[in-house]
Amino acid sequence: AQTVTQSQPEMSVQEAETVTLSCTYDTSESDYYLFWYKQPPSRQMILVIRQEAYKQQNATENRFSVNFQKAAKSFSLKISDSQLGDAAMYFCAYRSANYGGSQGNLIFGKGTKLSVKP
Amino acid sequence: DVKVTQSSRYLVKRTGEKVFLECVQDMDHENMFWYRQDPGLGLRLIYFSYDVKMKEKGDIPEGYSVSREKKERFSLILESASTNQTSMYLCASSPTIGREPSAETQYFGPGTRLLVL
Repeated sequence: AQTVTQSQPEMSVQEAETVTLSCTYDTSESDYYLFWYKQPPSRQMILVIRQEAYKQQNATENRFSVNFQKAAKSFSLKISDSQLGDAAMYFCAYRSANYGGSQGNLIFGKGTKLSVKP
Repeated sequence: DVKVTQSSRYLVKRTGEKVFLECVQDMDHENMFWYRQDPGLGLRLIYFSYDVKMKEKGDIPEGYSVSREKKERFSLILESASTNQTSMYLCASSPTIGREPSAETQYFGPGTRLLVL
């Protein structure tokens, strides 16, 4: 079974600085998707960024980028120029590329709480 | 934009009560999910549904049931609420793979914080 591990329960960053959140996963599959979700204190979970495992190029979305190391099974999230609105719980998630049944479900890490200091 | 709504943001119930949590999505998604979120445990899947009247157990289905009579609505039912079911409940939906380029992405509702006394 696949597992997702976020080893940093809490992180802190100064406003305008850069922070990297870590995520590792375990799978025997070769084709899958990886996600970072953000959950602000208001609790609405939103997608930050997604990565297809077959793509070597790291995904980027404005100030958010990932460092995807497939061989190492690592998927870290880098937030550049951190803003106060980036303060949230961040979840890393894995999804098999298989479409059938429960294989398509998301597997979440336990989350990293990010604080942004003004 | 995809919109997933949940019937209540906060709910207080007594032990033994029957509790209904409702979730509605407006994007004609085939797939719907119920998660439970607890501090230090992340999100755990309770039940999911890939079609109307279809349901499958997730990782922690004990003490819960679900109903999906219409495509847009997915209900989570606590037959006899217990204090260990005090938690945040999140609903999510996603389209069927192949229908849209990013169909593997799940879209979440705002959550229902349930307190069982």
